[in-house]
Amino acid sequence: EPEVTQTPSHQVTQMGQEVILRCVPISNHLYFYWYRQILGQKVEFLVSFYNNEISEKSEIFDDQFSVERPDGSNFTLKIRSTKLEDSAMYFCASSEDQNYGYTFGSGTRLTVV
Amino acid sequence: KNEVEQSPQNLTAQEGEFITINCSYSVGISALHWLQQHPGGGIVSLFMLSSGKKKHGRLIATINIQEKHSSLHITASHPRDSAVYICAVLETSGSRLTFGEGTQLTVNP
Repeated sequence: EPEVTQTPSHQVTQMGQEVILRCVPISNHLYFYWYRQILGQKVEFLVSFYNNEISEKSEIFDDQFSVERPDGSNFTLKIRSTKLEDSAMYFCASSEDQNYGYTFGSGTRLTVV
Repeated sequence: KNEVEQSPQNLTAQEGEFITINCSYSVGISALHWLQQHPGGGIVSLFMLSSGKKKHGRLIATINIQEKHSSLHITASHPRDSAVYICAVLETSGSRLTFGEGTQLTVNP
């Protein structure tokens, strides 16, 4: 069964450093998403991406965050200057259509120290 | 602002019991998702519903659009069903999923 692949599975970074989280969505999917889950809290929407541009972003997704689809397969989330409160599990997801089911990746656990 | 509420927050059952988890939401939606999250953190999509009822194995999901309510049922529960079950809704105006807090289910042998 097709999968959404995320790398790395766990990343530890110093506060103020830049991190790039990587995702390979399912090949025929057109919609891509990033969500995050702070430990013990519910999953929160960050950004959706379609047709090579952001279609919607949340209040969390400020200027420190950016997304990119640098080639035909990868979808990345960059955090420019990490803060302690960015520590969370980050999930990538993709779907063929907004009204179809989503497939989630297994997540990247980001720890900012 | 859309609120998604699940009940109960925690549920402990004996193997074989019938389980029901409820979800209610406050605004119009185009779809509702039921998801499963295991202790390692990964999220698996179980169902996407926009009306009626869906069944997959021992899992059944129903939705009542007028009442803004959905239920997830597990028949003949098993310890391997132990996980967090999450309801998430896609609003009619937008592309974001809004998630509930999740229901921690523990099924004892």
